[in-house]
Amino acid sequence: TQLLEQSPQFLSIQEGENLTVYCNSSSVFSSLQWYRQEPGEGPVLLVTVVTGGEVKKLKRLTFQFGDARKDSSLHITAAQPGDTGLYLCAGRGSQGNLIFGKGTKLSVKP
Amino acid sequence: DAGVIQSPRHEVTEMGQEVTLRCKPISGHDYLFWYRQTMMRGLELLIYFNNNVPIDDSGMPEDRFSAKMPNASFSTLKIQPSEPRDSAVYFCASSLLLGESNYGYTFGSGTRLTVV
Repeated sequence: TQLLEQSPQFLSIQEGENLTVYCNSSSVFSSLQWYRQEPGEGPVLLVTVVTGGEVKKLKRLTFQFGDARKDSSLHITAAQPGDTGLYLCAGRGSQGNLIFGKGTKLSVKP
Repeated sequence: DAGVIQSPRHEVTEMGQEVTLRCKPISGHDYLFWYRQTMMRGLELLIYFNNNVPIDDSGMPEDRFSAKMPNASFSTLKIQPSEPRDSAVYFCASSLLLGESNYGYTFGSGTRLTVV
């Protein structure tokens, strides 16, 4: 069974701080996606990483796929209250469907 | 496109009652997924369809749950009879392709179900 573990489960920080959240597995994934879910809404796709070692940047967000394609990280620089939400990673499973982690709930206080 | 449309947004029902959740996927998307989200278990895949045909229903908790997709633009998830432990947010999502790295899922806004 392919599982994705996300850490930390909860994170509360002040505006302007930097943070990193992690997504780990013992399984290899062909690709990995990150989603952000705001309260009362469904998850929204942020980025897809495909190649081992790949780094993608989306404004203040930096996503990295591990060399072995078993893990990924999301780094946010100078967090803002608008970054508040649940961050989910999802790996492409053997049947092609997405397998989701339980997420990291981020709260950025002004 | 208006995105994935789910109804109702909120549903409160009494234990034992039948509940029907509805979903309209994005036009042209061949795949439709039903998920349940709770704090304890996160996002759980219940069932998914390809071209209106159920492909994997191994996540459906028990026989009280059933899902149908009578045509490409409509799907339902029914719980009969409902129980308090079914209380959760239910999401519908659709996707153009499966297995293609750059294609993600588009989620609806969810239905928050409370069974009292």
